Amino acid sequence: AQSVSQHNHHVILSEAASLELGCNYSYGGTVNLFWYVQYPGQHLQLLLKYFSGDPLVKGIKGFEAEFIKSKFSFNLRKPSVQWSDTAEYFCASIRGNNRKLIWGLGTSLAVNP
Amino acid sequence: EAGVAQSPRYKIIEKRQSVAFWCNPISGHATLYWYQQILGQGPKLLIQFQNNGVVDDSQLPKDRFSAERLKGVDSTLKIQPAKLEDSAVYLCASSLGTQNSPLHFGNGTRLTVT
Repeated sequence: AQSVSQHNHHVILSEAASLELGCNYSYGGTVNLFWYVQYPGQHLQLLLKYFSGDPLVKGIKGFEAEFIKSKFSFNLRKPSVQWSDTAEYFCASIRGNNRKLIWGLGTSLAVNP
Repeated sequence: EAGVAQSPRYKIIEKRQSVAFWCNPISGHATLYWYQQILGQGPKLLIQFQNNGVVDDSQLPKDRFSAERLKGVDSTLKIQPAKLEDSAVYLCASSLGTQNSPLHFGNGTRLTVT
């Protein structure tokens, strides 16, 4: 069955530290990948998405993610985090023509000022 | 553009009572989703509509949960009777329904069953 794994459940960083959140998917065919963010008390928002083309995807608020097909990975990165990046981050995938979005369990990020 | 609208924002009920949630998707979005998000977990798809037809309701507990999207626009999700384990945030999302279209989420309804 298709699955999405997020390795870090809780991450605590200081401001200006670099961030990398891991995401691995299980399906080897055509896959669409997403990172969503949920700030405290707010709804889920799309950070970035990958469908095809350049495997390095730029998103909002300085986030980027790299699709590495050989590693089945789509890790989220930000070179310098801010306190306002404190949120829950979810990786998700859609396989080929299957429109069902498969979610990771999420990573809770806390950034200390 | 206006986002996905959901109401109410919060609801507290006792177990065995019934409750209904409402969702109005972004105008023109053919696909509508209802998700259940339990604290500390990722969203779990309950039901997916394409226009007014059900595409996927495989994870909907049909003995107590029901959903409809009669005119292919707004949708309601009902729980009857509620159980303690139904306490969660219920998220509505919509998308254009094309292969590359992302999901847009509403603010959700936080349900507490006591």
